[in-house]
Amino acid sequence: QQPVQSPQAVILREGEDAVINCSSSKALYSVHWYRQKHGEAPVFLMILLKGGEQKGHEKISASFNEKKQQSSLYLTASQLSYSGTYFCGTATGNQFYFGTGTSLTVIP
Amino acid sequence: DGGITQSPKYLFRKEGQNVTLSCEQNLNHDAMYWYRQDPGQGLRLIYYSQIVNDFQKGDIAEGYSVSREKKESFPLTVTSAQKNPTAFYLCASSISLRDTEAFFGQGTRLTVV
Repeated sequence: QQPVQSPQAVILREGEDAVINCSSSKALYSVHWYRQKHGEAPVFLMILLKGGEQKGHEKISASFNEKKQQSSLYLTASQLSYSGTYFCGTATGNQFYFGTGTSLTVIP
Repeated sequence: DGGITQSPKYLFRKEGQNVTLSCEQNLNHDAMYWYRQDPGQGLRLIYYSQIVNDFQKGDIAEGYSVSREKKESFPLTVTSAQKNPTAFYLCASSISLRDTEAFFGQGTRLTVV
């Protein structure tokens, strides 16, 4: 029931773009995205609701394809502060599961 | 300020001992959750509670127990039956994870020796 994320890891240079995908085998009501720095709690980035529009703030945005049960997180013009592990979270009925995680490293 | 507090941040226990991790929130959230995180793995759901005096097992509940006697508190006990308890434990709360965000505590790193 845990959604699968891809890629597992990615290394970027500052200013490059990245896409992180999240795929579920179940019909989704909503998708969350979080970023976690090592040893810290995950920080909420955004939530996409069924029937809602693509969301974003600054240079991070996301889309939600309900039919395909997939979501993608887009990071443009990456900054060093974007480094961390990104998790999607999927809500299906009363269940909520976090994805397998994507480690993103931005280097100068 | 409202938030969710976990204590302690670091915990060491001898093998075979039960240990209880604290989680308190003053956000007036109905739903609370416990997750376990191992290196290189995602967050796996241990238990969740959507209302006082009620809770459900997640995917990896074996060897753990919880209680929800108060809305604000959702302690997790790691029992001696848990075969590999060393991990990072995160508590979260939410109004409803269907359409609102999860708020996390700072986590408890449990080491069993």
